[in-house]
Amino acid sequence: DQQVKQNSPSLSVQEGRISILNCDYTNSMFDYFLWYKKYPAEGPTFLISISSIKDKNEDGRFTVFLNKSAKHLSLHIVPSQPGDSAVYFCAASVRNRDDKIIFGKGTRLHILP
Amino acid sequence: GAVVSQHPSRVICKSGTSVKIECRSLDFQATTMFWYRQFPKQSLMLMATSNEGSKATYEQGVEKDKFLINHASLTLSTLTVTSAHPEDSSFYICSASVLGGRGKDIQYFGAGTRLSVL
Repeated sequence: DQQVKQNSPSLSVQEGRISILNCDYTNSMFDYFLWYKKYPAEGPTFLISISSIKDKNEDGRFTVFLNKSAKHLSLHIVPSQPGDSAVYFCAASVRNRDDKIIFGKGTRLHILP
Repeated sequence: GAVVSQHPSRVICKSGTSVKIECRSLDFQATTMFWYRQFPKQSLMLMATSNEGSKATYEQGVEKDKFLINHASLTLSTLTVTSAHPEDSSFYICSASVLGGRGKDIQYFGAGTRLSVL
């Protein structure tokens, strides 16, 4: 059973436009959500996170939105830059229980020139 | 940010041999380290959680005797793939939680090890 779902395996966006990556989850116990970025042959790097008590968190060009009722979160990147081309993993955890993070399958983002 | 070093980055070995992968936290103490495996176009699958000085906790379906994990210090965890077979070929990634960091849920990842078993 996949608890964290990223239904779009890939996404292409024009440079300068907004990239929106979506993520759905099934476990209502999740209370902390993270986005990681991964380049080929490298480990993931932490991008941004959001606690379930918030519905939005912003860090520079990156904003994460959380809709708890829909069990949905999204990552917005604006404006998109060539260096943003990578695989983005959505992840979720239950804080104060253990440190486990459950990852989605990832979405490959292509930024087009 | 916190740096996690993983070595080697790539290893090719013959079937039946054992391979050791090291994961080090360079500028922080990691009470908990994690080992993941990633197949092509698949998610990161957690294999085990490693706590310093205690036995690793393995996820369901992961063979303990096959994937030996040792977390001897607060800065080093090792994964040994014993008697490797071609189906063990994969990308293995370690991560570490920062002790007292901005959130223990945030894990910092190594660069990964590409294992190819011939």
